[in-house]
Amino acid sequence: ETGVTQSPTHLIKTRGQQVTLRCSSQSGHNTVSWYQQALGQGPQFIFQYYREEENGRGNFPPRFSGLQFPNYSSELNVNALELDDSALYLCASSNRVTGANVLTFGAGSRLTVL
Amino acid sequence: DAKTTQPNSMESNEEEPVHLPCNHSTISGTDYIHWYRQLPSQGPEYVIHGLTSNVNNRMASLAIAEDRKSSTLILHRATLRDAAVYYCILNSGGSNYKLTFGKGTLLTVNP
Repeated sequence: ETGVTQSPTHLIKTRGQQVTLRCSSQSGHNTVSWYQQALGQGPQFIFQYYREEENGRGNFPPRFSGLQFPNYSSELNVNALELDDSALYLCASSNRVTGANVLTFGAGSRLTVL
Repeated sequence: DAKTTQPNSMESNEEEPVHLPCNHSTISGTDYIHWYRQLPSQGPEYVIHGLTSNVNNRMASLAIAEDRKSSTLILHRATLRDAAVYYCILNSGGSNYKLTFGKGTLLTVNP
């Protein structure tokens, strides 16, 4: 089975620009979550998608938005980039079932905002 | 989400067992205890999870206290590839996919 793949792996943007990050879920998974990881910190939950709808959101402003497609892949969009948006953005997929939730993470997209 | 407390760092020697502690005194009855680890330049990797009973898998063992207020991740024989940040996380499962990561424990493995 293939894991979670993210693209691009690295990118540099300037303040005020917009960025789109992409994620392909692990085969058989139907739920996608996005996390932001600043240097030296643990990942912070941004939001999750199930059945192409956002159904959970962390403490992030509306300029962070996302999409989930019918094939369960996903995009994270960030508008009006700020310097503090520089971070590793992680995508995680899982299969929505009852009981414990086990997430499979991608390697992340490293965003630098200048 | 209930909070977990872990030591900032621990050190071990190669091929020796490692016991990584986690305190979660406010755990609720429906919270699963999850462990993930993050190797340098990679995303977090699932290690193990449990609810009440001790659990074993090919990567590690999870020992859960009888009152569930603490747990210990056990790596039976540490290797250099086990050097990583280890996160102890509580999650109630079901539709709750949010994992609340703390700073974790940085494990250093000496050759």
